[in-house]
Amino acid sequence: QQPVQSPQAVILREGEDAVINCSSSKALYSVHWYRQKHGEAPVFLMILLKGGEQKGHEKISASFNEKKQQSSLYLTASQLSYSGTYFCGTERTGGGNKLTFGTGTQLKVEL
Amino acid sequence: DARVTQTPRHKVTEMGQEVTMRCQPILGHNTVFWYRQTMMQGLELLAYFRNRAPLDDSGMPKDRFSAEMPDATLATLKIQPSEPRDSAVYFCASGWPNTDTQYFGPGTRLTVL
Repeated sequence: QQPVQSPQAVILREGEDAVINCSSSKALYSVHWYRQKHGEAPVFLMILLKGGEQKGHEKISASFNEKKQQSSLYLTASQLSYSGTYFCGTERTGGGNKLTFGTGTQLKVEL
Repeated sequence: DARVTQTPRHKVTEMGQEVTMRCQPILGHNTVFWYRQTMMQGLELLAYFRNRAPLDDSGMPKDRFSAEMPDATLATLKIQPSEPRDSAVYFCASGWPNTDTQYFGPGTRLTVL
């Protein structure tokens, strides 16, 4: 079953913050975050493992709440280059590296 | 700069024709995934391999799709016969042993008329 992402779309002004949520109904082993720009391939951002710590990547960080099977991606002081569609990919416990991707969140950063 | 490569990048074909897409994973990666992306369904896993052995192809229509890894440097996805509903972008991704990170290729945009 596909994880649910919210919001579906968001428009920011440069410098603003955003949070993207990913929720699954299944017990998860890990959550992966990817960003895809129009016409390009998804690019790996970070992975959060069960029992692991919150991750950070420059001004992009993420958390994983194992009990709620939820993950959130935090984008701070957004830049124009952050525009794209963000996907979470969830791996179930015992899933063997098999990811199920969420519906995606379209993010647009404007001047 | 190691990258996953895919050929062709674009393919336009007529319904009923055979389509073969190729993927060269990053050297040393032992896990290869095939995904299909459409506006309606998003990113769907079709099949994946580890050490060239198919682990899961439950996402693939068995009657017309087939995936193989003839050797460690080549993965193929074949559709025969193709149908208009197969129009999509097909991505290949590969990963290192014992890690979860997947690196995506540029994709093959398939249009079936």
